[in-house]
Amino acid sequence: AQSVTQPDIHITVSEGASLELRCNYSYGATPYLFWYVQSPGQGLQLLLKYFSGDTLVQGIKGFEAEFKRSQSSFNLRKPSVHWSDAAEYFCAQNQGGTEKLVFGKGTKLTVNP
Amino acid sequence: DTGVSQNPRHKITKRGQNVTFRCDPISEHNRLYWYRQTLGQGPEFLTYFQNEAQLEKSRLLSDRFSAERPKGSFSTLEIQRTEQGDSAMYLCASSLRQGNEKLFFGSGTQLSVL
Repeated sequence: AQSVTQPDIHITVSEGASLELRCNYSYGATPYLFWYVQSPGQGLQLLLKYFSGDTLVQGIKGFEAEFKRSQSSFNLRKPSVHWSDAAEYFCAQNQGGTEKLVFGKGTKLTVNP
Repeated sequence: DTGVSQNPRHKITKRGQNVTFRCDPISEHNRLYWYRQTLGQGPEFLTYFQNEAQLEKSRLLSDRFSAERPKGSFSTLEIQRTEQGDSAMYLCASSLRQGNEKLFFGSGTQLSVL
């Protein structure tokens, strides 16, 4: 079965600092990869997705992610974090041939003033 | 676009009772999904509807769980004879195209089984 690993359970950064959240996916010939964000009391919101083509994808709220097939990674980045970015971030992979998304366990981001 | 609506927001029940949750998707979305999320975990897929047809079911969905989507609009998820292990956040999502395009999630129903 396909799996998604987010090695960091909790990350703390200072406001204005850069951010990188790690995600590793299990092997798939054509992975469909996603990053979702979940704020307290809110539904998950799609930040960005990768299907094919340019391996650097841009998303909403100033986020970007880079697909690296050689490392089976799809890390999320932001050059300058804002206090409103504090939330939980989930990486997900589409299980090929189905409508099922497989999510990682999430990384909780805390932003210090 | 009023978003995906889930009711109730919270449900507390005693073990052995039946519970039912409702999801109202975004009106033009023909695809509807149920996920379950426990503390410290990411959402886990439960089931998927295209219009009124239930096309996929996870092995996580035991016989005590049943989902319906009559008329292809709102959906209900029923859990019979609840167990403490059923305590979780139940998330509903909808999409217009395939799920590997973009899912719109509701805020969820938090179930606590005492």
